[in-house]
Amino acid sequence: GDSVTQMEGPVTLSEEAFLTINCTYTATGYPSLFWYVQYPGEGLQLLLKATKADDKGSNKGFEATYRKETTSFHLEKGSVQVSDSAVYFCALSDNTGFQKLVFGTGTRLLVSP
Amino acid sequence: SQTIHQWPATLVQPVGSPLSLECTVEGTSNPNLYWYRQAAGRGLQLLFYSVGIGQISSEVPQNLSASRPQDRQFILSSKKLLLSDSGFYLCAWSTGVGNTEAFFGQGTRLTVV
Repeated sequence: GDSVTQMEGPVTLSEEAFLTINCTYTATGYPSLFWYVQYPGEGLQLLLKATKADDKGSNKGFEATYRKETTSFHLEKGSVQVSDSAVYFCALSDNTGFQKLVFGTGTRLLVSP
Repeated sequence: SQTIHQWPATLVQPVGSPLSLECTVEGTSNPNLYWYRQAAGRGLQLLFYSVGIGQISSEVPQNLSASRPQDRQFILSSKKLLLSDSGFYLCAWSTGVGNTEAFFGQGTRLTVV
């Protein structure tokens, strides 16, 4: 079945450092790809998405490009802030019309001042 | 605009007791509805989804059940809780059309003691 693999955390960075969180996927067909963020004690919020190969999703300084050839959707940000500390989930949707999401295990990001 | 409400936010229940978690969506009609669970140290797993009133699909065998008595109401239940039912439960909705994302509630932290 479909699956998503994320890098293990926690990722610990100083403020203004560059962030990369790796995400690769296995899927039949052509999934849509998502990054969700979970702040402490809260539900998930959509951070960005891409629906086809070579699409770049971006939001709040975060970016991720849908790479079909490497089956990857790595999350990047050029300069992180303390407020970016959260758990980040990579996910795919199989586009069957049911929009069932398959999630990675999540990567905790800790940003220190 | 659409909103999703999920309650309660936290719940501590003894083993063997019943469970009822409720989720309602406002501002949309005929949404796809989902229940996900996030167990400690693990990613999110889809438990149930529904594409219409009375239509429930289960993704994994378990001690839980779901019902959709109204178009925008989704209920997660158990007759007798197990310790392994502890986790963070998230309700979500999507439009069911195209490559759209899912929108999540704030979650319920369930601890079975």
